[in-house]
Amino acid sequence: GPKVLQIPSHQIIDMGQMVTLNCDPVSNHLYFYWYKQILGQQMEFLVNFYNGKVMEKSKLFKDQFSVERPDGSYFTLKIQPTALEDSAVYFCASSLTGGSNTLYFGAGTRLSVL
Amino acid sequence: GEQVEQLPSILRVQEGSSASINCTYENSASNYFPWYKQEPGENPKLIIDIRSNMERKQTQGLIVLLDKKAKRFSLHITDTQPGDSAMYFCAASRDNNAPRFGAGTKLSVKP
Repeated sequence: GPKVLQIPSHQIIDMGQMVTLNCDPVSNHLYFYWYKQILGQQMEFLVNFYNGKVMEKSKLFKDQFSVERPDGSYFTLKIQPTALEDSAVYFCASSLTGGSNTLYFGAGTRLSVL
Repeated sequence: GEQVEQLPSILRVQEGSSASINCTYENSASNYFPWYKQEPGENPKLIIDIRSNMERKQTQGLIVLLDKKAKRFSLHITDTQPGDSAMYFCAASRDNNAPRFGAGTKLSVKP
């Protein structure tokens, strides 16, 4: 089936540093999402992105977070600066026509902030 | 609000029995209710979904029920197998908004 690729699979950084998580969504999909999951528990919505803009974001999407998809390349989540509580698995997802359709998730990036 | 509540958080059943997971949602405008299965270390994958114009949907041993008045929906796995052991997440969304997920149910099927 359709695949979403996330790079890297694991990232370890020091608190205060910047990190960029990369996502290669399904090629013809138009909507992109980031979710945060801690310890295999709840998938918490961060942000969704369409047509070059943030469509909606949650309270977890702090000012230190930003997303972009320059020129149709990777969909990225940047955290600057990172904090200890940012340690989690971040899942990227994409869908063809918005949130009321199947989301395809990547394998996740495990972020460890030391 | 966009909250989705999911219970139980842990469910242990014997192989061959059925398993039921229940979710409630806050936003009466929600019109799409997917269920995702996540195996350890893997990405969540859609297993079944239901839209607000339906009350019941069944596929391959999975049944989902939707009660819009009560803002409640549920997943029923019939004849569970050890391979059904995983985390299950319900979610709710409306229109083009992103799905909001429940807290997850860890299902363990004992042989």
